[in-house]
Amino acid sequence: DSGVTQTPKHLITATGQRVTLRCSPRSGDLSVYWYQQSLDQGLQFLIQYYNGEERAKGNILERFSAQQFPDLHSELNLSSLELGDSALYFCASSPRTSGSATQYFGPGTRLTVL
Amino acid sequence: AQKVTQAQTEISVVEKEDVTLDCVYETRDTTYYLFWYKQPPSGELVFLIRRNSFDEQNEISGRYSWNFQKSTSSFNFTITASQVVDSAVYFCALSTPTGGGNKLTFGTGTQLKVEL
Repeated sequence: DSGVTQTPKHLITATGQRVTLRCSPRSGDLSVYWYQQSLDQGLQFLIQYYNGEERAKGNILERFSAQQFPDLHSELNLSSLELGDSALYFCASSPRTSGSATQYFGPGTRLTVL
Repeated sequence: AQKVTQAQTEISVVEKEDVTLDCVYETRDTTYYLFWYKQPPSGELVFLIRRNSFDEQNEISGRYSWNFQKSTSSFNFTITASQVVDSAVYFCALSTPTGGGNKLTFGTGTQLKVEL
């Protein structure tokens, strides 16, 4: 158990809908990351927050947004969902934002868009 | 741009065999960090090791060992006396300070199947 929690574990929804994925980092970790794992794209970095502020952005679609709250938990919002958004979404956390910081991953949220 | 290549898509071995998973990376940064993660069938990503660019010392942890060679831009992972529980997808990843963040660039993964 990494100490990172993600809810829900599974999510099934329809095209055009909007969902919110939630992540709680390990105790004491200030940095939160979101990754998407799909069969065709592999593991892709989406976005990073550090102590409430956006720190880095990857290949995140405009339909997707995220934020980190004062209690350091984070939410990833996915809207106007398409079939291709079906994937495993991981949250990770680390104590700081430097490249040397190890990222510990949550169990993931499996999103299925029908 | 950063890139990680894991040329071996799938490897099958018989239990107790040794197996090496290859990882080749590309980056223009002189400071960088390399990682290995394990993804068992249950789906979670489990951290195995972190290595920084200025420490080429090889590391051994039980049946696991890692060989970091800057000259060939490789960070290979060897499992000695493999066991069925080692069956998983293994990912190599790279992180650099460029861009101000700390994103991981992953390879495509190597599926390891250990059979009895």
